[in-house]
Amino acid sequence: AQKVTQAQTEISVVEKEDVTLDCVYETRDTTYYLFWYKQPPSGELVFLIRRNSFDEQNEISGRYSWNFQKSTSSFNFTITASQVVDSAVYFCALSEEGYNNNDMRFGAGTRLTVKP
Amino acid sequence: NAGVTQTPKFQVLKTGQSMTLQCAQDMNHEYMSWYRQDPGMGLRLIHYSVGAGITDQGEVPNGYNVSRSTTEDFPLRLLSAAPSQTSVYFCASSYQDTGGWPQHFGDGTRLSIL
Repeated sequence: AQKVTQAQTEISVVEKEDVTLDCVYETRDTTYYLFWYKQPPSGELVFLIRRNSFDEQNEISGRYSWNFQKSTSSFNFTITASQVVDSAVYFCALSEEGYNNNDMRFGAGTRLTVKP
Repeated sequence: NAGVTQTPKFQVLKTGQSMTLQCAQDMNHEYMSWYRQDPGMGLRLIHYSVGAGITDQGEVPNGYNVSRSTTEDFPLRLLSAAPSQTSVYFCASSYQDTGGWPQHFGDGTRLSIL
């Protein structure tokens, strides 16, 4: 069965520091999708990125970057020059292409606090 | 742009009461799902639907019922509320159930069972 582990429960940084949120996944499928979602203090879930298992290219979007490594089953998320508005809970999630295609399994989340 | 709309936003129930959490989407998405969010456990799938008339159980279905009579609506029913069902509930939808389409979430319903 698929599983997502976010070992970091809470991270606290000072504004302008870089921070990496770790995500390790388990799956038996060869075709799968990885996601990151942000949950700010207001509570909604905001989709950040999707990556399929055949695309190991790293992606950068402004201050955000993602490092997908199949060899270590990891999909880590880095925020460069963090800002107070980045304070949120971040979830990594996995869905498999097989049965229950969109049965998305979430990690427990990492709470990031960025202090001014 | 309504997206996924959940009602109510907050609810307090007594043990044994029943209620229905409403979810509606206006994006013509085939796939809809319900999750519960508990501290330290992320989101867990309760029930899902791949289209009108089709529903199935997720990871934690006990104590909940769903139906999907239309593409737009996917209500979640608590049959007899228990304190263990105190949680934040999220409804989500996505374009299809294949291809890893990202899910769009509602704003959540915070439910307390006394």
